[in-house]
Amino acid sequence: GAVVSQHPSRVICKSGTSVKIECRSLDFQATTMFWYRQFPKQSLMLMATSNEGSKATYEQGVEKDKFLINHASLTLSTLTVTSAHPEDSSFYICSAPGAGETQYFGPGTRLLVL
Amino acid sequence: SQKIEQNSEALNIQEGKTATLTCNYTNYSPAYLQWYRQDPGRGPVFLLLIRENEKEKRKERLKVTFDTTLKQSLFHITASQPADSATYLCALEEAAGNKLTFGGGTRVLVKP
Repeated sequence: GAVVSQHPSRVICKSGTSVKIECRSLDFQATTMFWYRQFPKQSLMLMATSNEGSKATYEQGVEKDKFLINHASLTLSTLTVTSAHPEDSSFYICSAPGAGETQYFGPGTRLLVL
Repeated sequence: SQKIEQNSEALNIQEGKTATLTCNYTNYSPAYLQWYRQDPGRGPVFLLLIRENEKEKRKERLKVTFDTTLKQSLFHITASQPADSATYLCALEEAAGNKLTFGGGTRVLVKP
């Protein structure tokens, strides 16, 4: 089946620094990718929709200047958490629609901001 | 307001029995309802999708029902195995290719 990868799988950073997370579709093209955030014992919350060749669409309450999204190619979307703070510590997961109506999720990136 | 509700309490079940999970929603008109499995520290894995005009879908030991009148989906794991232990998430999609909205998930623990 289709595979979506994320890099890095884990990252620890100091407060105030920026962190970039990559999401790649390995064997298919994705004009759209989705970024989710999941806090412990909670469900996935959609942050934004990444669109190849155009600006990302952000969900209500998500700061677009803090969470920068770039859909550089048909197989790569990046999420940059700028000036990260401890409250940004979370599990970040991307997904890409596959054939039909299914979506394929990446393995997630665990971010810890100290 | 829109809600997707799954039983937040963990479901403990004996191996070999059938696990039944519920997903109720309000103020949505989903075109599709999907079920995912998520293991700790991992991304969700797609299991089954059911369309608004379908009543039931099966895949191996899994069965999903969809009642748009009750606004409810049931997810069954028959002949459960310890390897089925995970969190199961339902998700609504209001149009093809659109974003998914997830329920809170139900943790299932299958005991040998």
